[in-house]
Amino acid sequence: NAGVMQNPRHLVRRRGQEARLRCSPMKGHSHVYWYRQLPEEGLKFMVYLQKENIIDESGMPKERFSAEFPKEGPSILRIQQVVRGDSAAYFCASSPDGSYGYTFGSGTRLTVV
Amino acid sequence: TQLLEQSPQFLSIQEGENLTVYCNSSSVFSSLQWYRQEPGEGPVLLVTVVTGGEVKKLKRLTFQFGDARKDSSLHITAAQPGDTGLYLCAGAMTTDSWGKFQFGAGTQVVVTP
Repeated sequence: NAGVMQNPRHLVRRRGQEARLRCSPMKGHSHVYWYRQLPEEGLKFMVYLQKENIIDESGMPKERFSAEFPKEGPSILRIQQVVRGDSAAYFCASSPDGSYGYTFGSGTRLTVV
Repeated sequence: TQLLEQSPQFLSIQEGENLTVYCNSSSVFSSLQWYRQEPGEGPVLLVTVVTGGEVKKLKRLTFQFGDARKDSSLHITAAQPGDTGLYLCAGAMTTDSWGKFQFGAGTQVVVTP
């Protein structure tokens, strides 16, 4: 039973390009969460999705960031026109019922040059 | 400012020693989790506590949830080099959407042989 799969593990983008981060939850998990981790800081909540629905996007920046979890396929976190401040580790987590802790993926480390 | 304050930020001890890390807040949480994160990887869930005053033991690790559900501690007995990692606490606030967690900044623990 594979864990939460994130790809790519490392992503380098030039300023102004788009970054697409993918997350496949654990089998049987229908709740997906995205978090961002900056050095010396804890994980910051970005968005909570279920299949085809955004449940809570209170942590998403208002511009350039979007997320989806389609009926088929992985969840996608999309960052348009990336800036250096977007450089961070982005973690996806999944759970079967939205409670009592997550299973995290290994993260995507985005570097904007 | 962090909703969950973890202390100390960094802890270096010798193998065989005991250690305690703390997670404090002025807010009440419906549940609290502890995770351990190793470099380049996602956090791994260690335990979830949900009842005020609850104590859980996981081999050499003892977790306690405060009576008022505002704080928690993690105690490691006879630490081993394999216990090295970033320990993160995360709490679910009753005012947040189901499954969303607030993370502390973490305590970096280094256990030397």
